[in-house]
Formats: sequence, C-alpha cells, structure tokens
Amino acid sequence: SYELTQPPSVSVSPGQTARITCSGDALPKKYAYWYQQKSGQAPVLVIYEDSKRPSGIPERFSGSSSGTMATLTISGAQVEDEADYYCYSTDSSGNPSFGGGTKLTVL
Amino acid sequence: QVQLVQSGAEVKKPGASVKVSCKASGYTFTSYGISWVRQAPGQGLEWMGWISAYNGNTNYAQKLQGRVTMTTDTSTSTAYMELRSLRSDDTAVFYCARVAVTGWYFDLWGRGTLVTVSS
Repeated sequence: SYELTQPPSVSVSPGQTARITCSGDALPKKYAYWYQQKSGQAPVLVIYEDSKRPSGIPERFSGSSSGTMATLTISGAQVEDEADYYCYSTDSSGNPSFGGGTKLTVL
Repeated sequence: QVQLVQSGAEVKKPGASVKVSCKASGYTFTSYGISWVRQAPGQGLEWMGWISAYNGNTNYAQKLQGRVTMTTDTSTSTAYMELRSLRSDDTAVFYCARVAVTGWYFDLWGRGTLVTVSS
C-alpha cells in the first residue's frame, strides 16, 4: 500500500511554530490533507487540498506542499493544539492512505 | 445538525462477525459517499473502504477483501459495515466518515464504535 511518512513526534513550547512533515511519492500530483485527533476523539479535518483551511479552524493552522513533501504548520502553537496529526492522500491510482501520525506535544 | 451517529460498542469472539451502523442526518445522504476507517488501540488510522450512498458502488481495501461488506439503507440514511471472521487484531475503533463532494477526503466523521474481539 501507499506510504506516507511522518515523524513520530514533534515537540514545541507554547507560542512557538510547529512544523509536521509528510512525504509521499504521489504528493507532486495529489493533494495532501491533515487531520487532528485529540485523545479519545474522532479526527477533525484541519487542512484540505494542501493549504485550505475549513471554516472554524484557527488561522494559526496552515499547510503547504512542494514536491514529495507536504507540511502542516501551526504558528504560535497553543496547549490545546496538543494532539496526533495525520496526513492523508491518495496514490497515483486513487487508493487512500494515511500517514503513521505525529504526536505533537506543546509544553 | 449535520452528523453521523454510530452504533454502540461491541464485544465479539474470534471467528464471529460484527455489523456497525452509521446514521446520517442534516444532509442529503445520497449526495455523498461513506468511508470506513479503523484505528487499533494506540495505532494509526487505516482506511477500510468506501460505498457510494447514491448507487451502492463499493471499493474495499485490498487487505480486507472477502471479509468486509459495506451497505447502505437510503430509506433510513444509514450506512453499515460488516466485518467477518474476526480476529483479535481486528480489535479497534471503527469510524464512518463522509467523503467530501469536492474531493477524495473525509469532511465529517462519526464518533467511532469500539469493537473488541476476545475469547
């Protein structure tokens, strides 16, 4: 199956910028999406189509994609942003896949 | 209110089957597809498959082919996921998720259903 590779963990202090990367061979031609999952809750979409933000998602969340890497950036991370983040995309045949997830610690 | 409401937790023995339901409300059910995603304890998200609520077309993840069946009941706006021949490593939270109209991603999720497989 299609592999999307994320770092297992990222740690920042409150107010710092957190960057979470996701690499995949098909990303030059396929959109990346990002989901936030807090402990015991369902995932929530925070970025779609590489860089668009759904309504209700704070402006500090942004996304970008270049070549085989997509990046989720949280500018001025807050304690409430502590969660697991999953990138999502499809391979060249359209088969969906999630990255392994990145645990963001804000302390 | 736009939401997906899932059925309650289940405990099953190895070899049994489980059928999880996902009732949609607040939107036109047949205008969207439904995917199922599972998450084993402490693990990541795994896409299981998709069903069109419009015509019932399905697409299953290769590793689950032959063990999973997804169906819909448009009269009640409910999607179902049945997993057969359960094993202990099928223990997971199962989520239904609405597939967005504008692209192949999930814009609305149910709260999840815990299925525990244990003898």
